[in-house]
Amino acid sequence: EVHLLESGGGLVQPGGSLRLSCAASGFTFANYAMIWVRQAPGKGLEWVSAIGGRGTGTNYADSMKGRFTISRDNSKNILYLQMNSLRLEDTAVYFCARVPGIDCCGGVDVWGQGTTVTVSS
Amino acid sequence: DIVMTQTPLSSPVTLGQPASISCRSSQSLVHSNGNTYLSWLQQRPGQPPRVLIYKISNRFSGVPDRFSGSGAGTDFTLKISRVEAEDVGVYYCMQTTQFPLTFGGGTKVEIK
Repeated sequence: EVHLLESGGGLVQPGGSLRLSCAASGFTFANYAMIWVRQAPGKGLEWVSAIGGRGTGTNYADSMKGRFTISRDNSKNILYLQMNSLRLEDTAVYFCARVPGIDCCGGVDVWGQGTTVTVSS
Repeated sequence: DIVMTQTPLSSPVTLGQPASISCRSSQSLVHSNGNTYLSWLQQRPGQPPRVLIYKISNRFSGVPDRFSGSGAGTDFTLKISRVEAEDVGVYYCMQTTQFPLTFGGGTKVEIK
């Protein structure tokens, strides 16, 4: 069964850093591009970043460029999101999701359960 | 950026009755490869999103056939033929044709 499990969320002060992980199982991880999407409390969905199956071809939403870095370790089947210079408005549930293809983005099919990031002093 | 506009914001529906959600994009979603990467997602209360429809009208594995998608270019529709209690939640359209990937604002489906 295809499964994505996020971890690494928590409470962090403004200006701080956090690294999220998304552990994948049940499929050949390297054959799929992956994305991060977030959802602020009570709000809609916002795309954060994307990465190709080979670890190349990264893309970011404008508000995350220079602060967030997406990466992956295909030997461990893990997707990462390094978040630096965190702001209050980065408070959200962060989801990882799979793209059906090695390059992004012909759609999204499987989603994780999400991990909560709270930025607060 | 491609702006995705969904209507209505909220859709109170009687059980067993149909529901329809519209999604309009600010520019064509036809990719250079000829595909149109418009998906519909369902998010039940307290749950992560789940894909219902991809490439306009293709039902994802396990999705009941009461859900259907249609449209082309910039105008798309999700229809639920007969709403059931488990369909309560927020529905989003999403385009993955072009970066940045963007979502509609969501339509809340609730039972009258």
